[in-house]
Amino acid sequence: DQQVKQNSPSLSVQEGRISILNCDYTNSMFDYFLWYKKYPAEGPTFLISISSIKDKNEDGRFTVFLNKSAKHLSLHIVPSQPGDSAVYFCAASAGNQFYFGTGTSLTVIP
Amino acid sequence: DSGVTQTPKHLITATGQRVTLRCSPRSGDLSVYWYQQSLDQGLQFLIQYYNGEERAKGNILERFSAQQFPDLHSELNLSSLELGDSALYFCASSDLTSGGASTQYFGPGTRLTVL
Repeated sequence: DQQVKQNSPSLSVQEGRISILNCDYTNSMFDYFLWYKKYPAEGPTFLISISSIKDKNEDGRFTVFLNKSAKHLSLHIVPSQPGDSAVYFCAASAGNQFYFGTGTSLTVIP
Repeated sequence: DSGVTQTPKHLITATGQRVTLRCSPRSGDLSVYWYQQSLDQGLQFLIQYYNGEERAKGNILERFSAQQFPDLHSELNLSSLELGDSALYFCASSDLTSGGASTQYFGPGTRLTVL
């Protein structure tokens, strides 16, 4: 049972434009959400997080939005850069357990 | 470099065998998590240890076991291996017990191939 879903396996965006990566979850008990970035042959790297008491968190070019009523999470990258090309995983946690989506492969075209 | 180390990087073995994967957390981190990533799958949480004690359990098979030692390194033992166990196994560490408020730092992973 996949509690965290990333329905778009891949996304291509022109350099300088906005990248929007989406994530849906089913468990209303999740209280913390994270985005990780993963390059080939490396482990995931923490990118940005948001607590369930907030609806937006910003860190430089990266903004995460949380819509609790829709159980939806999105990551906006503005402006997108070629170095952002990677697989992005969203994750949600309840207590000590983390649940990850299957990832979205982002390609930023120069 | 996340500060989390995993050995070995690659492991090739046969069905029915047993292997041990090793993880050293970041300096000062007391929590260690193990994940499995199969082809086209997300990261499946297996198990968490905090300061030597099991803290949370996810989709970990009975053939798999883990432990965390006094020096905080952790080992994941996989036995009676099957073809379907071929995957990337990641270890992550964090400095807090509360999963909701901590950030996990991942190691580079161990790629296990079962032939």
